Amino acid sequence: AQTVTQSQPEMSVQEAETVTLSCTYDTSESNYYLFWYKQPPSRQMILVIRQEAYKQQNATENRFSVNFQKAAKSFSLKISDSQLGDTAMYFCAFWTTWGTYKYIFGTGTRLKVLA
Amino acid sequence: GAVVSQHPSRVICKSGTSVKIECRSLDFQATTMFWYRQFPKQSLMLMATSNEGSKATYEQGVEKDKFLINHASLTLSTLTVTSAHPEDSSFYICSAPGGLGQETQYFGPGTRLLVL
Repeated sequence: AQTVTQSQPEMSVQEAETVTLSCTYDTSESNYYLFWYKQPPSRQMILVIRQEAYKQQNATENRFSVNFQKAAKSFSLKISDSQLGDTAMYFCAFWTTWGTYKYIFGTGTRLKVLA
Repeated sequence: GAVVSQHPSRVICKSGTSVKIECRSLDFQATTMFWYRQFPKQSLMLMATSNEGSKATYEQGVEKDKFLINHASLTLSTLTVTSAHPEDSSFYICSAPGGLGQETQYFGPGTRLLVL
């Protein structure tokens, strides 16, 4: 069975600084997707970034980038130039092409950006 | 991008009544939708997978007679909390998969249910 682990329940970062959120996962599948979702105080889940496992190049979306280490089963999110609007809960999620199309979510990391 | 709506956004009801929550995919069709429950400061807990034209698939421990799911069309799924009790108070979120391989889930804004 697949599992997703986020070992940092809470983190804080100064505005304009860089922060990295950790995510590790376990699977025996070779073809899968990984995601980072953001849930701000409004509680709307917003897709931040996604990574296809067969792509070696790390995904980037503006200030957000990932460090995908397939062999180590690690998928960390780096937020550069942190902004107050980045304050949110961040969830790492796993999805595989096999099975029931369900997401496996981590427990989340609460990020607070300090002014 | 793909948009999913939920209605209502907030509902307060008396114990023993039933509450229906609607989830709509606004600009794409979804043969599958997911219903989640989220407690404060916790992750999303999958309750069930809603399948258009067939029965929903419930996760272990979720009472199918209490949480009725109907996927009436390719753009609408409903969750009915029957005979609601205070312990059913929670935040309910739906999602629908999109993307080329259906790998990306698009989430509704959620429904906050308070049962008095």
